[in-house]
Amino acid sequence: EPEVTQTPSHQVTQMGQEVILRCVPISNHLYFYWYRQILGQKVEFLVSFYNNEISEKSEIFDDQFSVERPDGSNFTLKIRSTKLEDSAMYFCASSGDRGYQPQHFGDGTRLSIL
Amino acid sequence: RKEVEQDPGPFNVPEGATVAFNCTYSNSASQSFFWYRQDCRKEPKLLMSVYSSGNEDGRFTAQLNRASQYISLLIRDSKLSDSATYLCVVNNAGKSTFGDGTTLTVKP
Repeated sequence: EPEVTQTPSHQVTQMGQEVILRCVPISNHLYFYWYRQILGQKVEFLVSFYNNEISEKSEIFDDQFSVERPDGSNFTLKIRSTKLEDSAMYFCASSGDRGYQPQHFGDGTRLSIL
Repeated sequence: RKEVEQDPGPFNVPEGATVAFNCTYSNSASQSFFWYRQDCRKEPKLLMSVYSSGNEDGRFTAQLNRASQYISLLIRDSKLSDSATYLCVVNNAGKSTFGDGTTLTVKP
């Protein structure tokens, strides 16, 4: 079964540094998403992306965050200047359409900010 | 009011028990509905989609009531492997909103 893959599985970074989290969505999917989950809390929507532009974003997704699809396969989340509160599990997801089909999740990147 | 609200749990049940989870959502324009399960520190995994006509997958039955904005999941004959957090997920225009999750522990 095709799956969403994410790298790295764990990223440790000093506060203030930039991080890039990478995802390879399922190949025939057109819609891509990032979510985060702070330890012990719920999964929170960050951003959705379609046709090389952001479709929706949450209030969490401020100017420190950006997304990009640099080539035909990768989908990246960049955090420009990390804060301690950015420590969380970040999940990438993809789906075949915008809302009716379920989203399929990668196994996440654990981001630890020191 | 939360966009998606689930039973707070936790649920602790013996093997073989039947357990039901409830979920309500606030946005009447929501398009689609799902149950995911999440094991500790793992990604959410799709359990099943939820349709107004109700749908069943083995021991699992999901139901949607659009008028009441209510979603349910029934697990029959619980197994130890069913222990997980169950997430109610509501989609609207490409954004998935997750409930807080209900934790189920099935004991021998």
